[in-house]
Amino acid sequence: NAGVTQTPKFRVLKTGQSMTLLCAQDMNHEYMYWYRQDPGMGLRLIHYSVGEGTTAKGEVPDGYNVSRLKKQNFLLGLESAAPSQTSVYFCASSYVGTVGYTFGSGTRLTVV
Amino acid sequence: AQSVTQLGSHVSVSEGALVLLRCNYSSSVPPYLFWYVQYPNQGLQLLLKYTTGATLVKGINGFEAEFKKSETSFHLTKPSAHMSDAAEYFCAVSANAGGTSYGKLTFGQGTILTVHP
Repeated sequence: NAGVTQTPKFRVLKTGQSMTLLCAQDMNHEYMYWYRQDPGMGLRLIHYSVGEGTTAKGEVPDGYNVSRLKKQNFLLGLESAAPSQTSVYFCASSYVGTVGYTFGSGTRLTVV
Repeated sequence: AQSVTQLGSHVSVSEGALVLLRCNYSSSVPPYLFWYVQYPNQGLQLLLKYTTGATLVKGINGFEAEFKKSETSFHLTKPSAHMSDAAEYFCAVSANAGGTSYGKLTFGQGTILTVHP
């Protein structure tokens, strides 16, 4: 009964490097979301997906790409990391028609 | 579109005192409203939510919140603070729009609650 699992939990990148954050859920949820959390700014939606093979932009999508090839996985990619992308990233998921999310435990990313 | 404003980035109370965390929202459609809590270096945990029906909502750990449509508010309260309540609290809103919002949540900036002995 894992819920929403994010990997890795911590990562340090150099400016210009690329990486992929993985979010996996075992609850058969249709909807999945990626947020970033920055001090004093709450959580802001980066991208979301309403089903396998579909993605959409959120509030702060620039510099990120996503893919949802399998229903249970939602990948967040940084093609060329920038210091402004230093943040804590949270994945969440939910059923269609339900209200509220199940959150992962977060990935703390530092770009130097 | 929805937005959330949490009044006060930091709130400090004494143990046993009333906790009041303020949240005001803006929404063009009927809202769903949430309070989440985040303990240090952890993810977010749902405290309570308002969907429809009773406007006074009770959550976990003795917290409750009241939806006041006329004031566009959803303030979080707890009668008596405990040291374990120290955390960051987030108010969030989602649109009750028949599914077209795809469940997206918009979060406030967060309020850090400190509890003094």
